[in-house]
Amino acid sequence: DAGVIQSPRHEVTEMGQEVTLRCKPISGHDYLFWYRQTMMRGLELLIYFNNNVPIDDSGMPEDRFSAKMPNASFSTLKIQPSEPRDSAVYFCASSFSLAYYEQYFGPGTRLTVT
Amino acid sequence: KNQVEQSPQSLIILEGKNCTLQCNYTVSPFSNLRWYKQDTGRGPVSLTIMTFSENTKSNGRYTATLDADTKQSSLHITASQLSDSASYICVVTRTGNQFYFGTGTSLTVIP
Repeated sequence: DAGVIQSPRHEVTEMGQEVTLRCKPISGHDYLFWYRQTMMRGLELLIYFNNNVPIDDSGMPEDRFSAKMPNASFSTLKIQPSEPRDSAVYFCASSFSLAYYEQYFGPGTRLTVT
Repeated sequence: KNQVEQSPQSLIILEGKNCTLQCNYTVSPFSNLRWYKQDTGRGPVSLTIMTFSENTKSNGRYTATLDADTKQSSLHITASQLSDSASYICVVTRTGNQFYFGTGTSLTVIP
């Protein structure tokens, strides 16, 4: 398997623009996670899905952020409108299960909002 | 308050030497503890997952220990290699599947 695939790898956009990040999880994994990582705050869990259904979105910072998983092989994280403080690396990860199985992370998308 | 604290924040060691990274937590009730290795510019990679009943778990030259009574974990790296240079992140899961993240330890191995 190719592992978790994320696109784009780098995104530079202007404040106010809409940004869409994409993720393809490992085939057969029932859980998908979206994380954000910054120097100041470290790694943060934004939201996770189980069988395409959002389970916990308590980490989503505000209404400007939304995530969807229309099918088992695709998820998006959208920011609209984007702000400079959204600049971060966004990771997608997938797992067979939640409790005791390891999560496999994608390479991340580095987002810069100017 | 549920928190995870890692120490030291950064560490420089000579190649071939051993080192130990610490993770102290106040998360309760406890479900499991994970150690991740993150190379610069890449996503985290899982090293170990430990449950309440596990005291020690090894993954090659990496050995994690867990003391659930004192709420402390350590990651011991034996005979360090240049490729061990990375950030190491401790994540504690609370019963109910809430995740709490440490801020990581940055390890640099020099020749």
